[in-house]
Amino acid sequence: AQTVTQSQPEMSVQEAETVTLSCTYDTSESDYYLFWYKQPPSRQMILVIRQEAYKQQNATENRFSVNFQKAAKSFSLKISDSQLGDAAMYFCAYRRTRSNDMRFGAGTRLTVKP
Amino acid sequence: GAVVSQHPSWVICKSGTSVKIECRSLDFQATTMFWYRQFPKQSLMLMATSNEGSKATYEQGVEKDKFLINHASLTLSTLTVTSAHPEDSSFYICSASGQGGNQPQHFGDGTRLSIL
Repeated sequence: AQTVTQSQPEMSVQEAETVTLSCTYDTSESDYYLFWYKQPPSRQMILVIRQEAYKQQNATENRFSVNFQKAAKSFSLKISDSQLGDAAMYFCAYRRTRSNDMRFGAGTRLTVKP
Repeated sequence: GAVVSQHPSWVICKSGTSVKIECRSLDFQATTMFWYRQFPKQSLMLMATSNEGSKATYEQGVEKDKFLINHASLTLSTLTVTSAHPEDSSFYICSASGQGGNQPQHFGDGTRLSIL
């Protein structure tokens, strides 16, 4: 079974600074997708960034980037120039290529200090 | 982008009643829909996966007679919580995915269910 682990229940960052959220996963598959979702207090799930396992290049979306280490099964999210609106729960998720269902980590609550 | 509408956003009802939650994909065909449950300050827990025109596949520990799922069309799936009790109170989120292994899941805004 695939499992996703987020070892940081809470993280805090100063506005304009950079923060990295950790995620590790366990799988025997070679082809899969990894995601980071953001859930603000409104509780809407917002896709932040995604990575295909077959791609060596790390995905980047504006201030959000990932450090994907396939051999180590690690998928961390870096948020640069943190903004107050980045404050939310962040969930790391895994999905096999041939399947639609997704497995989520326990989440990391990010606080941004002004 | 792809939009998923979930309704209602909040419902309060008496114990013993049944509650239906709708999940609609507004601008794409959702071959697969997912229902999640989320307790306060916890992660999303997958309850079931439904493919259009087929019976839903429930995760272990989820009572299929308690949580009835219907996915009759490519744009609509419903979750009915039958004979709801206070322990069923939770936040329920649906998501929808188009056909193909590369398709991401698009989430609805969730339904807060409170059973008195």
